[in-house]
Amino acid sequence: QVQLVESGGGVVQFGRSLRLSCAASGFTFSSYGLHWVRQAPGKGLEWVAVISFDGSEKYYAGSVKGRFTISRDNSKNTLYLQMNSLRAEDTAVYYCARGGSPYMDVWGKGTTVTVSS
Amino acid sequence: DIVMTQTPLSSPVTLGQPASISCRSSQSLVHGNGNTYLSWLQQRPGQPPRLLIYKISNRFSGVPDRFSGSGAGTDFTLKISRVEAEDVGVYYCLQATHFPWTFGQGTKVEIK
Repeated sequence: QVQLVESGGGVVQFGRSLRLSCAASGFTFSSYGLHWVRQAPGKGLEWVAVISFDGSEKYYAGSVKGRFTISRDNSKNTLYLQMNSLRAEDTAVYYCARGGSPYMDVWGKGTTVTVSS
Repeated sequence: DIVMTQTPLSSPVTLGQPASISCRSSQSLVHGNGNTYLSWLQQRPGQPPRLLIYKISNRFSGVPDRFSGSGAGTDFTLKISRVEAEDVGVYYCLQATHFPWTFGQGTKVEIK
């Protein structure tokens, strides 16, 4: 079945880096745009970034622009989020989601990132 | 960035009764191609979000017909015709017309 599985979360020190992955299965990965969305503890959803089906277009939320990089490897059916210069406010559950036209129709279960001093 | 404002933020509802959530955007969500990319998502406790409605009023696959969406321009509404126990959770509107995409703050639906 269609599935997205995030990994790579954990506890990281303030100012350090972390790379999240999202492994996809059950659909033609290279045909879809993909998103990262995060949710801070007890808070609402925040859209983070999107990448087009072929990786040629990328857009970011202002809060992460210049620090986070979204990328994909269509040969591995995997989406990535490289997070640099991490701050306390980046602490959240990070979800990957498949892009529709345009909406987000399939979501992973999320991976938790905790930025600690 | 476009600000999405949902009301109410909390909605206690009696089982079997209707519920309505409003979402207002700070700018028109009509895209240059004429479409309006406003969707609604449900997040049940402890679960990831789930797409309910896209392009204002289109129910996503598998979504019960008690959920309906309406609106235009800057004002949108999600209605649940008869609330069931499984509808408990937080509901978010999302605009995907302009980058960056933005969510409403969320409306918590709970049973009275």
